[in-house]
Amino acid sequence: KQEVTQIPAALSVPEGENLVLNCSFTDSAIYNLQWFRQDPGKGLTSLLLIQSSQREQTSGRLNASLDKSSGRSTLYIAASQPGDSATYLCAVNNNDMRFGAGTRLTVKP
Amino acid sequence: DAGVIQSPRHEVTEMGQEVTLRCKPISGHDYLFWYRQTMMRGLELLIYFNNNVPIDDSGMPEDRFSAKMPNASFSTLKIQPSEPRDSAVYFCASRFSGSGNEQFFGPGTRLTVL
Repeated sequence: KQEVTQIPAALSVPEGENLVLNCSFTDSAIYNLQWFRQDPGKGLTSLLLIQSSQREQTSGRLNASLDKSSGRSTLYIAASQPGDSATYLCAVNNNDMRFGAGTRLTVKP
Repeated sequence: DAGVIQSPRHEVTEMGQEVTLRCKPISGHDYLFWYRQTMMRGLELLIYFNNNVPIDDSGMPEDRFSAKMPNASFSTLKIQPSEPRDSAVYFCASRFSGSGNEQFFGPGTRLTVL
């Protein structure tokens, strides 16, 4: 069974800092990997989707990479802003979808 | 498209009562997923359907939980009888296998069982 781990569990940074969130998974036979954002009490918003054949995807200040062979993905956030404060979830698709526990990010003004 | 629609958004019920949660996936999507989210256990996959057929229900916690998808535009998750430990946020999600497999989530149903 696929296991997904996210490190760190929580992260607090000052505004403007660049940061990296990590995701690892145990079964490399994946179709794709998706990063989501969840604000408190809200649903999940899709940020980036990386297919298994891709190495990275970019959207604005976000860049996600995928190293399928080592079972790792990173989400890079450039020039962080207070509005980026949320929980970031990594999900791995082996036909079903397994989630990590998330990284709770706080960006301080 | 309106996205994935879930109802009700909030449900408060008493222990022992039957609870039915509803989901309308995005039109054209062929996969539908039910998840449960709690502080202790995070986001757990309960069951998923492909073309209205249940594929994997190994995440369904007990026989008290059941899910159906009578057609491509509607699914229900039923809990009978409900217990306080079922209190959680239940999410429905859908995706289309023919276009990247990006998964889209509904806003969730917050269930409180007293």
